[in-house]
Amino acid sequence: EAEVAQSPRYKITEKSQAVAFWCDPISGHATLYWYRQILGQGPELLVQFQDESVVDDSQLPKDRFSAERLKGVDSTLKIQPAELGDSAMYLCASSYQGGVAEAFFGQGTRLTVV
Amino acid sequence: SQQGEEDPQALSIQEGENATMNCSYKTSINNLQWYRQNSGRGLVHLILIRSNEREKHSGRLRVTLDTSKKSSSLLITASRAADTASYFCATELSGSRLTFGEGTQLTVNP
Repeated sequence: EAEVAQSPRYKITEKSQAVAFWCDPISGHATLYWYRQILGQGPELLVQFQDESVVDDSQLPKDRFSAERLKGVDSTLKIQPAELGDSAMYLCASSYQGGVAEAFFGQGTRLTVV
Repeated sequence: SQQGEEDPQALSIQEGENATMNCSYKTSINNLQWYRQNSGRGLVHLILIRSNEREKHSGRLRVTLDTSKKSSSLLITASRAADTASYFCATELSGSRLTFGEGTQLTVNP
């Protein structure tokens, strides 16, 4: 069964360091989402891609976060510099047709900033 | 910002009982989806209900949607210990943005 792949599963980084997360969506899925989830809360949308284009990054802290999906397939989310408040689960999801179809989630990357 | 709000925040029941979770949202939607998340894992899609539908079933799950009240409910019948998880509603807004609520933590005691 096709899955959304994310790596790494866990990441511990020091404050002010750079960190990157990678996501490989299900083949053929044009829509890719990055969410941040703080423990005990719901996922918060950071950025949404349609193919290689960003369609929504209104909640992305652009002074430190960046995201790209250069060939419209896999994607990278970067944080530089990391802050203590960035500690969270970062979830990637993909969908065949945006929000009109179900989204498939990866297992997430648990980030701890120390 | 979160579009949906789940109620209750936490629910504890005995195995075999039914569990009902509610979701309220603020703006008009195209569809509403329910997801489950086991501790520390990714989310799993349960069911999608479109704005022109009122009720949908999938196995032991029953979802209703009342667009006039901007609310939805998820009913899990004959609950099992394996149903213990967090349940989230998600709404699809214009531009296909998928926005999640804060979730209901369901505990099913054996």
